[in-house]
Parts: sequence; structure tokens; C-alpha cells
Amino acid sequence: AQKVTQAQTEISVVEKEDVTLDCVYETRDTTYYLFWYKQPPSGELVFLIRRNSFDEQNEISGRYSWNFQKSTSSFNFTITASQVVDSAVYFCALYAYSGAGSYQLTFGKGTKLSVIP
Amino acid sequence: DTAVSQTPKYLVTQMGNDKSIKCEQNLGHDTMYWYKQDSKKFLKIMFSYNNKELIINETVPNRFSPKSPDKAHLNLHINSLELGDSAVYFCASSQDLVEYGEQFFGPGTRLTVL
Repeated sequence: AQKVTQAQTEISVVEKEDVTLDCVYETRDTTYYLFWYKQPPSGELVFLIRRNSFDEQNEISGRYSWNFQKSTSSFNFTITASQVVDSAVYFCALYAYSGAGSYQLTFGKGTKLSVIP
Repeated sequence: DTAVSQTPKYLVTQMGNDKSIKCEQNLGHDTMYWYKQDSKKFLKIMFSYNNKELIINETVPNRFSPKSPDKAHLNLHINSLELGDSAVYFCASSQDLVEYGEQFFGPGTRLTVL
């Protein structure tokens, strides 16, 4: 079975602070993919990143960075110098073999980030 | 130009009815998806589909069926609607199926079953 845990249900930060959103996953598969998605208050879904299990290099894209650590089964997401526009629900997801004959995409429950001006 | 579009944006219907949600992408992608987001914001993949393969999440009731008239369209047909089907349904597309490449989402369709 596979599972994605986003332990932080809600986070509030003041604008310009850095914030890290945690994601811990469980899978028995050795080949898998991890994702982050953003859902702003307007409701649309935005794909942010995909990372495969063989690439542990951290990635940076502007103010966003991702820290993938296989040893702790974590794929954390950091926003540097947060802005009000970063306010959204962020979902972490795992694509791996489900053990029932197919691959499956499993989402965490999301972390709601509020950036206060 | 809208990359992934869905119609209708809102759909209110009675229990027991059959309804369809349309999805179109103009990105030239080979793969399309349907996701469901319930009232608690839980997201679930329902289907992924390209010209060669339909992958169904085994938890999806067979009242739900994707229909693809061509590569640019993946419609979602729902039979015998139930109260629990009320949710926001998102369509998405990506260049290929393999490992769920970068996906582009439609704006969502809010389905309310009364």
C-alpha cells in the first residue's frame, strides 16, 4: 500500500517569511514519482513539480525549492520570502506501484498556506 | 486561448439522472485525465487515458465512464447520479502517460447532486 502524509493541515506566515511544507510518503516500490500541486483560492489546480525516485538532487525554481530525501521518505517544499500570492492549498502526491497490478497516483490531504501581509 | 477547457462549470442535477462533463485540450497532448475533489478537498485520480490505454482507479464506481471521441477530448459520463457524487471534477492533460508528466488542468466542474 502507498500513502502520502502532509502532517501540517494549515500554516500561517507573515509575508517575506520562509515556509516549509512537509510531505512524507510510503511505498514499497523502488521506482516512483513525487509531485507537488498548488490550488489557490480561485480553485484551479496548478502542477508545480515532478521528481523521480532516482534523482535526489534538490531543485530550485525562483523562490520555490524542493528537498527530496529517500532516507527519510520525504519530499519537502520550501517557499522563500513568501508572498500573499502564495496563499493556497498545496498537495503532495506519489505515483507508484499499488501492489494490485497497477500504478496509482495518491494524494496527501493538502496543506493550506496563508500568507499574511 | 484556453489550454484545457471544461463544460459546464456548474452542474446541478437530481439523484438518479445521467450527466456528462466535457473536456477539451488544444495542447496536442496524448494523455488526458479526470480527477475528483470532494467537499473536504481530498483529491483522487479517476482515470488516465491515451490512445492506447485506459487506466481506471479501481475505487471508481462503474457508473463513471470516460468517453474519448478523439485525442483532444475526454468526456466524463456519469450514470444514476448519487448524492456522494457531488464534488469538483477536474480534467487534465499531459504530453504522455508515462509517469504522469507535467499536467495542465481545466478550471473544474462543480457537480451538485440533490
